[in-house]
Amino acid sequence: EVQLVESGGGLVQPGGSLRLSCAASGFTFSNFPMTWVRQAPGKGLEWVSAIGATGSDTYYADSVKGRFTISRDNSKNTLCLQMNSLRADDTAVYYCAKVDGGHYVSGPMSSYYYYMDFWGKGTTVTVSS
Amino acid sequence: QSVLTQPPSVSAAPGQKVTISCSGSSSNIGNNYVSWYQQLPGTAPKLLIYENNKRPSGIPDRFSGSKSGTSATLDITGLQTGDEADYYCGTWDSSLSSWVFGGGTRLTVL
Repeated sequence: EVQLVESGGGLVQPGGSLRLSCAASGFTFSNFPMTWVRQAPGKGLEWVSAIGATGSDTYYADSVKGRFTISRDNSKNTLCLQMNSLRADDTAVYYCAKVDGGHYVSGPMSSYYYYMDFWGKGTTVTVSS
Repeated sequence: QSVLTQPPSVSAAPGQKVTISCSGSSSNIGNNYVSWYQQLPGTAPKLLIYENNKRPSGIPDRFSGSKSGTSATLDITGLQTGDEADYYCGTWDSSLSSWVFGGGTRLTVL
């Protein structure tokens, strides 16, 4: 059974830092990309960041680029999100999710069929003075 | 403002059918595959449909997805009160090199 358990959330002052972790089990962690998605109170889902299976490829939403760093330790089946220079609008529940699918190339185009097949229960980050 | 556009809310009576639309562009839905997620109140999102129209194991066939051009649709038939939830479409945006979600649609089963 796939399990994803986030931790590390809490209350932090604006400008502060926090490191989120996601412990994965029930699948071969090193074979799959992973992603972080957040949800501000009463709002919709917002994609935050993703990392390839080996950790060499990383992607960020513009809203967090330069402030957040995603990483993974495949020997420990752990996904992390280092969050620096936190702002009030970073307040949200942060979910980690396993990514499946892939992409293929057809002529000059690439088509992506990624999807988030398993989600953790989330960890809450509150940025406030 | 979300890159993918969904209606904020839809409603229908138990047993009826509802359709939730998701509109995008050539850089996202038009060229890539769409997935749908169900978020029941107070819980984490759950995968409902992937690769436009495939259902994960355990998802009833009352839920179906389709895609045409730069739009995608989620159909739910035989509505049940337990289907009341927020529904999100999502896909990769090749121009932005980022994942994009719709703003979400709240389903009310009257």
